[in-house]
Amino acid sequence: EVQLVESGGGLVQPGGSLRLSCAASGFTFSSYWMSWVRQAPGKGLEWVANIKQDGSEKYYVDSVKGRFTISRDNAKNSLYLQMNSLRAEDTAVYYCARKYNWNEPFDYWGQGTLVTVSS
Amino acid sequence: DIQMTQSPSTLSASVGDRVTITCRASQSISSWLAWYQQKPGKAPKLLIYKASSLESGVPSRFSGSGSGTEFTLTISSLQPDDFATYYCQQYITWTFGQGTKVEIK
Repeated sequence: EVQLVESGGGLVQPGGSLRLSCAASGFTFSSYWMSWVRQAPGKGLEWVANIKQDGSEKYYVDSVKGRFTISRDNAKNSLYLQMNSLRAEDTAVYYCARKYNWNEPFDYWGQGTLVTVSS
Repeated sequence: DIQMTQSPSTLSASVGDRVTITCRASQSISSWLAWYQQKPGKAPKLLIYKASSLESGVPSRFSGSGSGTEFTLTISSLQPDDFATYYCQQYITWTFGQGTKVEIK
């Protein structure tokens, strides 16, 4: 059974940092692009970042470029999102999701982890 | 940036109704479009990919159509489990529509 389990969310002050993790199981992690998608409270979905199977390509939404870094460890079947210089508008549930190829949709999602940026 | 616009934002319907949701792209995305269903407090679930292909395990009452810039998701006979929010997504640059909430009439 495919499982994606996020962790690392919590309350952080504006300007602070947080590292999210996503533990994958039930599939060959190294064969999939992985992504982070977020959802602010009561709002819609926003794609945040993608990373290629071997980590050689990374893409970000403009609003997080230079502040967030996506990475992966295929030996540990894990995906990460390092979030720096956090702002109130980064408050959201962060989901990790997988897709098989560049031009594929997200076919499995984790349950999400809540990040709250507030003083 | 490719913008995705869904209509309506909210839809009130009854069990058994035929429901149609529209998604428009700001430029052609060929058929690189997916539809997701999300229930409160849950992760989105993939329903349709490549505009009209049904994801495995998804009931056949769900169907998708369209190409280029205009797409539709149709639920042929609304069931109690279908009351949820639906999102379209183009997966060229991965932007989502703003969502359509399907409510009980």
